[in-house]
Amino acid sequence: DGGITQSPKYLFRKEGQNVTLSCEQNLNHDAMYWYRQDPGQGLRLIYYSQIVNDFQKGDIAEGYSVSREKKESFPLTVTSAQKNPTAFYLCASSPRTGGVAKNIQYFGAGTRLSVL
Amino acid sequence: GIQVEQSPPDLILQEGANSTLRCNFSDSVNNLQWFHQNPWGQLINLFYIPSGTKQNGRLSATTVATERYSLLYISSSQTTDSGVYFCAVEGAGNNRKLIWGLGTSLAVNP
Repeated sequence: DGGITQSPKYLFRKEGQNVTLSCEQNLNHDAMYWYRQDPGQGLRLIYYSQIVNDFQKGDIAEGYSVSREKKESFPLTVTSAQKNPTAFYLCASSPRTGGVAKNIQYFGAGTRLSVL
Repeated sequence: GIQVEQSPPDLILQEGANSTLRCNFSDSVNNLQWFHQNPWGQLINLFYIPSGTKQNGRLSATTVATERYSLLYISSSQTTDSGVYFCAVEGAGNNRKLIWGLGTSLAVNP
């Protein structure tokens, strides 16, 4: 089935540790996104990528890093510089068919990150 | 940047009731989407509706772009409709970034 797979579903981070969240899509979408959601809040954009080997900072990029070496994959690393990483992380993708394409975003099931 | 406001923030319904959720936005948009987030966190796209009216079963949505608002109608609500409903917009600059409202939390009681 086509879709977006995030792993792991739950993740625990120790102080000073970097952790990487996986996001894989088989929808052949060009654009991919990482969002952070805190309890009772909306989604805030961390990073996004519109094409392989290119990505842009979102509104809350500090303490996070990404790579986009393959079209299908957009991993997010939460670094030790992110002092408050406990949150629900959502990955999304959208098609880009050239010109003004519909930016309809499809989401994975999310990763819940907690600090030990 | 564009501001997105959703109302009401919370809503409690009895099963079978109808409801209207509202999304106001502060500038021109070329993309507006409604999403439902279930209690387990999964986000599902309900409508892509930068203008006009669409219907899908018991749900329908209307966006009046000139007046900068969108409405989501839920008829004959069911317990499975519970969750949070988000409105997200993309500004006319076409930078492919969605700006999200804070959502309406809906609880449908049996």
